Amino acid sequence: AQRVTQPEKLLSVFKGAPVELKCNYSYSGSPELFWYVQYSRQRLQLLLRHISRESIKGFTADLNKGETSFHLKKPFAQEEDSAMYYCALSAQGAQKLVFGQGTRLTINP
Amino acid sequence: ETGVTQSPTHLIKTRGQQVTLRCSSQSGHNTVSWYQQALGQGPQFIFQYYREEENGRGNFPPRFSGLQFPNYSSELNVNALELDDSALYLCASSLAGPDTQYFGPGTRLTVL
Repeated sequence: AQRVTQPEKLLSVFKGAPVELKCNYSYSGSPELFWYVQYSRQRLQLLLRHISRESIKGFTADLNKGETSFHLKKPFAQEEDSAMYYCALSAQGAQKLVFGQGTRLTINP
Repeated sequence: ETGVTQSPTHLIKTRGQQVTLRCSSQSGHNTVSWYQQALGQGPQFIFQYYREEENGRGNFPPRFSGLQFPNYSSELNVNALELDDSALYLCASSLAGPDTQYFGPGTRLTVL
């Protein structure tokens, strides 16, 4: 079975501080991992996916297969980063997304 | 390019009734997935349609059913509504294969 765990429901950091949102997954095959973000009053949108290895809005995420983790990081948080963040997994060859419960990130001025 | 749209925005029904939610996929996309998002939870996969055929289903009972039309728009039907069906229903469209899913704004269903 596929499972995604985001251990922190709420995370609050100060502007300019580093941010790390944790994501752990459970899947026996080769997963594809994503981070989706939902800003206030906006729809859910893709932030980044591990296969693209891009840095979007200063965020990066590295897939660690040994620790089955895909933590999202940003070295210097900005107020506009305040949002709901969801980690998601899709099984190899499938399109179904399995989401974690989400982490609400608040950046304090 | 038009994004994913959903209708209605909000809906209130009573237990035992039936409901139909609609989704128009993004231009050029042939795959539609439906998700249920209960309050405080992440979205949960209901099912997916590809070229008018069901192409995968999550752990939802048969009273959740769907359709996809030749223009790739889609409907989600829920029969015999239960209080626990109250949730935000999200539609996402994509191309077939490991493509990014683009989400609609959702339909908020309340069952009284």
